[in-house]
Amino acid sequence: GQQLNQSPQSMFIQEGEDVSMNCTSSSIFNTWLWYKQDPGEGPVLLIALYKAGELTSNGRLTAQFGITRKDSFLNISASIPSDVGIYFCAGSYNNNDMRFGAGTRLTVKP
Amino acid sequence: EAQVTQNPRYLITVTGKKLTVTCSQNMNHEYMSWYRQDPGLGLRQIYYSMNVEVTDKGDVPEGYKVSRKEKRNFPLILESPSPNQTSLYFCASGGGNQPQHFGDGTRLSIL
Repeated sequence: GQQLNQSPQSMFIQEGEDVSMNCTSSSIFNTWLWYKQDPGEGPVLLIALYKAGELTSNGRLTAQFGITRKDSFLNISASIPSDVGIYFCAGSYNNNDMRFGAGTRLTVKP
Repeated sequence: EAQVTQNPRYLITVTGKKLTVTCSQNMNHEYMSWYRQDPGLGLRQIYYSMNVEVTDKGDVPEGYKVSRKEKRNFPLILESPSPNQTSLYFCASGGGNQPQHFGDGTRLSIL
């Protein structure tokens, strides 16, 4: 089956720093999604990508759908304490069978 | 307010005792899905549904059943729960066949 690798597993950064995390797949996807999960809650959709090469922003967040369709990255600029949480990538080929990465745990020190 | 509601939020039960986790959405979404979340593994899809009476297996369907008799509801059924089904479960719904809205989760402990 499709394997989806997300890195890094965890990040400890200072408030104000930029953050970058990425996901790679062993096979091509037609959709990449990025989510954030706060403790005790379900994931919240941040950005959805539908075309190879697509670059989409949502406030301080920017995500790109890789040209090879096998990878995606998420950048967070000028991090703030409320960015703390677990970030998940997810991808699918046929929009039905959705695969998730294992998550990147972000800690922001004030 | 757009909502996906799961019940119960927490359940401790014993091996073999049938249980159902309910999921309801108020956004008229055709797509709904169930996931389990385990440490270090992220979310794994159990089942999904494209519409009423249309369901299909995800990545880890063994030991689970679902039904979709109405658009708003998508219950997850464990006919004979086992300890390896102890996990955190999430229901999601969305347009465009994507999990856009997640519930707050159901933590199941099977003893």
